[in-house]
Amino acid sequence: EIVLTQSPGTLSLSPGDTATLSCRASQSVGGSYLAWYQQNPGQAPRLLIYGTSSRATGIPDRVSGSGSGTDFTLTISRLEPEDFAVYYCQQCGSLPFTFGQGTKLEIK
Amino acid sequence: QVQLVQSGAEVKKPGASVKVSCKASGYSLSSYALHWVRQAPGQRPEWMGWITAGNGDRKYSQKFQGRVTITRDTSASTAYMELSSLRSEDTAVYYCARNDYTGNGFDYWGQGTLVTVSS
Repeated sequence: EIVLTQSPGTLSLSPGDTATLSCRASQSVGGSYLAWYQQNPGQAPRLLIYGTSSRATGIPDRVSGSGSGTDFTLTISRLEPEDFAVYYCQQCGSLPFTFGQGTKLEIK
Repeated sequence: QVQLVQSGAEVKKPGASVKVSCKASGYSLSSYALHWVRQAPGQRPEWMGWITAGNGDRKYSQKFQGRVTITRDTSASTAYMELSSLRSEDTAVYYCARNDYTGNGFDYWGQGTLVTVSS
C-alpha cells in the first residue's frame, strides 16, 4: 500500500499570497496518477487536479499541480477567501487508492 | 447535470450491518466506475472499494475484504455499499464517488451518509 505524507500540516497565509502544498509517496505513483482535492467542513471532497497536473472542470488556472515519482506539489496563487480549506492528495495508480492526511490552509 | 444522491443517516448497533444507497442521475451508472470512500471524524478519507464500468467487476480494499459488498442496479441507476459486522470504529461519513478512468481521480461525489455505530 502506498502511504502519502502531506506537508505542512497547517499553512497560515493571507489572501493574495501563494500556497505551496507538498505530497510525498512511500513509493513511486504509477502513471503519475496523483490527484488533489479541496474539502470544506461538512462537505464532500472536490476534485481540483488529476493526473498530477490536469485541472478538473471549472478549476481556475491559478491552481496548478506538478511533480513525478514520489514528490508532488499543489500550488495555489493569488489566494482568495474561498481557498481556505483542507486539501488532500490521493494516488490512483495502484490499489488500494490512498489519501494523504491533509493540509489545512488557514487565514493568517 | 451529474448528481449522486445518497440515502440518509443510520444508527446501528455493534455487530449489525448497514446498506447505503447512491442514486445517480445525469449520466449512465454503468458507463463509469463507482467508488466508496469513508471518512471518520477528523481523519483522512479512506478508500473501501469500487465497481467498474461495463461488466461491474468489483474490487475491495484488503482492510474491508469479507465485510463489504458493493453492488449496483442499473435499471434503478443506484449503487449500494453494504458493510457488515459493524464496530464503533466504523462510525464515519460514507461517500460514493464517480470515476471516468482509473487514474483520473473522482470527479463527482455524493453528499455523504453518516453511519453511527453505538450500543
